Amino acid sequence: AQKITQTQPGMFVQEKEAVTLDCTYDTSDPSYGLFWYKQPSSGEMIFLIYQGSYDQQNATEGRYSLNFQKARKSANLVISASQLGDSAMYFCAMREGFHSGGFKTIFGAGTRLFVKA
Amino acid sequence: DTAVSQTPKYLVTQMGNDKSIKCEQNLGHDTMYWYKQDSKKFLKIMFSYNNKELIINETVPNRFSPKSPDKAHLNLHINSLELGDSAVYFCASSHEKRHTPGTDTQYFGPGTRLTVL
Repeated sequence: AQKITQTQPGMFVQEKEAVTLDCTYDTSDPSYGLFWYKQPSSGEMIFLIYQGSYDQQNATEGRYSLNFQKARKSANLVISASQLGDSAMYFCAMREGFHSGGFKTIFGAGTRLFVKA
Repeated sequence: DTAVSQTPKYLVTQMGNDKSIKCEQNLGHDTMYWYKQDSKKFLKIMFSYNNKELIINETVPNRFSPKSPDKAHLNLHINSLELGDSAVYFCASSHEKRHTPGTDTQYFGPGTRLTVL
């Protein structure tokens, strides 16, 4: 069964607008971490934001925020005020905690974001 | 002062050859990983080492052999290369410790693009 699902293979957004990239996950471990990474065309994997399963508040990092809805098992990434440099592939990832053995990060299939000028 | 470095960045070789990819991290992390990203951008974990001990081995052919001479290094050796091994290989590291997995961000190297002809 898919543990991380990103249903949007591609998204377009106008420059300066906000965009939400969807991510749902599946786990029975009470302890887990959720991550978003950006992969520009140059190929490197850039860490954007992290949300722990016990965190009460949604994580924010600059223009990035993570809309964490635990009951729905969703961890959507919101990018505010999109910039041309945001055009990239975005990966949602989950790492389960101790009860599941930990250490193994599972990645979604990715969403390719195109920012239009 | 690169955090996670990999060499080489590009590797082009013939089928049947043996090759190695090296990875080093200067972040003082305890855990290191190898991932394979295929042509469809799907990222999958191959191996994970914690303090030089193998803790994840994900149904990878035994032609792939990781070696961790110390905490800061995790090398990947591939024997008898096949066409299907062509991919981008990423090394990553995190602070993850055995008793508190699942909470730490992974930092990725720049990737090694392997092309098998």
